[in-house]
Amino acid sequence: DIVMTQSPDSLAVSLGERATINCKSSQSVLFRSNSLNYLAWYQHKPGQPPKLLFFWASTRESGVPDRFSGSGSGTEFTLTISSLQAEDVAVYYCHQYYNAPFTFGQGTRLEI
Amino acid sequence: QVQLQESGPGLVKPSETLSLTCTVSGGSIKDFYWSWLRRPAGKGLEWIGRMYNNQTTFYNPSLKSRVAMSVDMSKNHFFLKLSSVTAADTAIYYCARHYRFRGIIAHFDHWGRGTLVAVSS
Repeated sequence: DIVMTQSPDSLAVSLGERATINCKSSQSVLFRSNSLNYLAWYQHKPGQPPKLLFFWASTRESGVPDRFSGSGSGTEFTLTISSLQAEDVAVYYCHQYYNAPFTFGQGTRLEI
Repeated sequence: QVQLQESGPGLVKPSETLSLTCTVSGGSIKDFYWSWLRRPAGKGLEWIGRMYNNQTTFYNPSLKSRVAMSVDMSKNHFFLKLSSVTAADTAIYYCARHYRFRGIIAHFDHWGRGTLVAVSS
């Protein structure tokens, strides 16, 4: 199984400041024949389903504010929120769909 | 807009079988891959398994011996059965649809709101 490890486990950031969440995979999730990283990011708030933020590591889902950005390739990935808003408080997960069983990072709890 | 809704008993006794239904509306269940996932309290997301058109299934090896998935395409429903449950199976269970891109089974683009299942006597 591909193990996904996020850091940090929790993060407190002031409103308007930058938040950075890292994700490492135990093996590359870059599929070389199509140059796509099989990596997604989700935002999860209590009582709601996880919300897709990015897929292919850096393709923003429709409707996601542009203060969110996804980057990285191979085994190291980053989710950045450039200017934290109150509504961004949530748990964030990275997810690999390169190989089944599909796996997720342990989650990063983002607080103000 | 595709919507998913999980349903089923909120309480299951130890050693019994957990049975859940996912109802898909706003789109056809046909020709997409569908998965079940869960999130135990205080833990992260765990993928349980996926299925396609009642033809192919792939289960997480950690649960494979206890899991069965099926679909009723006439009703746009798909199902999860998890046998011999224990307290460790207490979780919020989600159904989700896979995005398909050029034949790739990709990320989850639609999720249900989740249903809490507790295993307790």
